[in-house]
Amino acid sequence: DADVTQTPRNRITKTGKRIMLECSQTKGHDRMYWYRQDPGLGLRLIYYSFDVKDINKGEISDGYSVSRQAQAKFSLSLESAIPNQTALYFCATSEDGQAMRELFFGEGSRLTVL
Amino acid sequence: LAKTTQPISMDSYEGQEVNITCSHNNIATNDYITWYQQFPSQGPRFIIQGYKTKVTNEVASLFIPADRKSSTLSLPRVSLSDTAVYYCLVGTPGGYQKVTFGTGTKLQVIP
Repeated sequence: DADVTQTPRNRITKTGKRIMLECSQTKGHDRMYWYRQDPGLGLRLIYYSFDVKDINKGEISDGYSVSRQAQAKFSLSLESAIPNQTALYFCATSEDGQAMRELFFGEGSRLTVL
Repeated sequence: LAKTTQPISMDSYEGQEVNITCSHNNIATNDYITWYQQFPSQGPRFIIQGYKTKVTNEVASLFIPADRKSSTLSLPRVSLSDTAVYYCLVGTPGGYQKVTFGTGTKLQVIP
């Protein structure tokens, strides 16, 4: 089983619908991240969390919200999806620490908003 | 924040050594240099990390000159399965929240 699991892997929805992407991890890491990737572009950080009580906005948080239900679970919500939120979404985890610890990514959730 | 610049794409034949250079002129004293590999429709995967001089693991080598303003990822004898996008990241202390992935270098290995 994957250490970082994302569900759903693929989702097609309509404009205005609420969507939740879920991420769970078995690595025991405190830090979790949500990234978005558009075709031909790098990853952009949406939100990150350093522990259950710590939630922070990333570079492109507008239109998104998150919930850290437990150390192992970090969910990304689109309250009212719009077509330009069509993208590949990745969840990632890392250990605590001041250095750049290795990021462990999930397999991605491909979201299409019609 | 340290900005990185790397070639958009590179082609290489199978069996050759590939060197991908990344420029990071404003790297800070505490920054580490980290490289990730990403295959299509998969999450990036950590390859190697270094602070100065040379680091080698079973997958790649990372060369960092004394001034640390650039770094070179070296992939020995590439195969078709090394076709991927390679990202050079320069990290400020505290983690990835201030790190930009950028567009990376798309390496195409040719038979």
